[in-house]
Amino acid sequence: TQLLEQSPQFLSIQEGENLTVYCNSSSVFSSLQWYRQEPGEGPVLLVTVVTGGEVKKLKRLTFQFGDARKDSSLHITAAQPGDTGLYLCAGSPNFGNEKLTFGTGTRLTIIP
Amino acid sequence: KAGVTQTPRYLIKTRGQQVTLSCSPISGHRSVSWYQQTPGQGLQFLFEYFSETQRNKGNFPGRFSGRQFSNSRSEMNVSTLELGDSALYLCASKLKYRSATEAFFGQGTRLTVV
Repeated sequence: TQLLEQSPQFLSIQEGENLTVYCNSSSVFSSLQWYRQEPGEGPVLLVTVVTGGEVKKLKRLTFQFGDARKDSSLHITAAQPGDTGLYLCAGSPNFGNEKLTFGTGTRLTIIP
Repeated sequence: KAGVTQTPRYLIKTRGQQVTLSCSPISGHRSVSWYQQTPGQGLQFLFEYFSETQRNKGNFPGRFSGRQFSNSRSEMNVSTLELGDSALYLCASKLKYRSATEAFFGQGTRLTVV
């Protein structure tokens, strides 16, 4: 079973600060995605990375896929209260297998 | 384009009863996956359907079953409900992106078993 461990599990910071969330595995993934989920709602896809070392930016969010395709990070610059939510990484274990494995989640709270 | 629609949004059932949840994927998406989300276990994969066939299955007991219709709509059924089945049940329709598969989730069905 391929597992995705996220850290930290909980993070509470002041508005305007920067933060990084990590998603790690001992297994290789063909692709990795990040989702954000708000209470009572389904996860919303933020980004998909498919190439080792790939970096993608979405406004103040920067996503990176590790060179070895075993880990990923999400960096938020100048966090805002609207960034509050549960952040989930998810990976596809190998090419052709569409089953997604979800990480353990990071619950982020931005304090105004 | 309409998103993934799950019905109902909320359900309260009694132990021992059965329940059926419905999911309509994004138009044109043929793959539907179901997940159970609880505070303790996170998002757990239940099963996936593609063109009316179950393609993948997670590690859940046989009380959990599903099916997909020719219009790609899917239902999942849980029989003999237990208190531990209380959870947010999420449905996702999936689409290929480059070499990856992206999931688009509905709002979920909050099931409470009492």
